[in-house]
Amino acid sequence: DQQVKQNSPSLSVQEGRISILNCDYTNSMFDYFLWYKKYPAEGPTFLISISSIKDKNEDGRFTVFLNKSAKHLSLHIVPSQPGDSAVYFCAASVGRDDKIIFGKGTRLHILP
Amino acid sequence: DTAVSQTPKYLVTQMGNDKSIKCEQNLGHDTMYWYKQDSKKFLKIMFSYNNKELIINETVPNRFSPKSPDKAHLNLHINSLELGDSAVYFCASSPQIGGDTNEKLFFGSGTQLSVL
Repeated sequence: DQQVKQNSPSLSVQEGRISILNCDYTNSMFDYFLWYKKYPAEGPTFLISISSIKDKNEDGRFTVFLNKSAKHLSLHIVPSQPGDSAVYFCAASVGRDDKIIFGKGTRLHILP
Repeated sequence: DTAVSQTPKYLVTQMGNDKSIKCEQNLGHDTMYWYKQDSKKFLKIMFSYNNKELIINETVPNRFSPKSPDKAHLNLHINSLELGDSAVYFCASSPQIGGDTNEKLFFGSGTQLSVL
């Protein structure tokens, strides 16, 4: 049972444009959402998070939007840079310390 | 000076063998984890240890046994390996529970296990 779904396995975006990665969740108990980024042959690293009391969190070029009624969140990267090419995992948890449930990841390719 | 290091990076073995994956963290964290990324790419937690004590044990076959000799090490031993065990296994660590733990998960680079 996939509680966190990333329906796009891959996404290609032109350098300088906006990258939008989407994520849906099914468990209404989730109240904390995170994005992790993974380069080949490395482990995932934390990128940005959002609590369910907010609908937007911004950190530099990265913004996460949360739509609780739709059980949907998205990660916006603008402008996209070559170094952003990686796999992005959406994740969710009940509280900040409970176990994280990860999605399958979306591979982002930034095209020159 | 890698924060979370796991060995080996690649492990190819025959069905039925017993193998171990080692993990060490030098971050001073209290909690360590094992995650499995299977062929469908899901990254799922298997075990979590806090100060050498098991705190999370997902539905994992008994053939998998984590061992934590001290809080800086969490090794994973797998008995009687099966084809379905082929996956990438990630070790991770985080600070004490109660401190925005989920933002502070540090992962190792993974061990690619192939069971033939």
